[in-house]
Amino acid sequence: DTGVSQDPRHKITKRGQNVTFRCDPISEHNRLYWYRQTLGQGPEFLTYFQNEAQLEKSRLLSDRFSAERPKGSFSTLEIQRTEQGDSAMYLCASSLGGRDRAYGYTFGSGTRLTVV
Amino acid sequence: DQQVKQNSPSLSVQEGRISILNCDYTNSMFDYFLWYKKYPAEGPTFLISISSIKDKNEDGRFTVFLNKSAKHLSLHIVPSQPGDSAVYFCAASTGNQFYFGTGTSLTVIP
Repeated sequence: DTGVSQDPRHKITKRGQNVTFRCDPISEHNRLYWYRQTLGQGPEFLTYFQNEAQLEKSRLLSDRFSAERPKGSFSTLEIQRTEQGDSAMYLCASSLGGRDRAYGYTFGSGTRLTVV
Repeated sequence: DQQVKQNSPSLSVQEGRISILNCDYTNSMFDYFLWYKKYPAEGPTFLISISSIKDKNEDGRFTVFLNKSAKHLSLHIVPSQPGDSAVYFCAASTGNQFYFGTGTSLTVIP
């Protein structure tokens, strides 16, 4: 297993366009998280899944954002009608439920979104 | 509202000396604290954790100290090595999400 994979690594889009990011977690991990990191800030929680169920969403996740994890495997994060304020690094992480608070998540390398 | 704060954006230390990275938090309900290390163009990597029932946890060159009365934790790296140069984030949890600080960029000078 090569860890958590995110695709694409970089995305430049025009304001108003829709974008979709993909995350492939570590195969035996049942929990999957999306975080967003802007310049000079730490990662901020967006949402998390346990298997295919989306169990928690941050208020940062406006109605333009939607995340899915069909069949409890890979996940997608879609942003509709992108705005310049959406420019950030989008990080995906996975973990084994019950272990992540003591052993942390495994993060992917992120997708850097630039909205022009 | 920043619940986890790292007030030092950067720190430089000579190789072989001790690095001390600090973190303050405001939420007394946090019960797990973690440190992550991040190299450029990579995601954060888990380093060490501590539960609120302890005041110290050690793993090789890395030791985390927790002072609950002061709502303060620190990461000690002894001895510091050039490969430790990275951004260090502290994070705290009270449930299923972690709250991260803004990071401290550590430079270890050979």
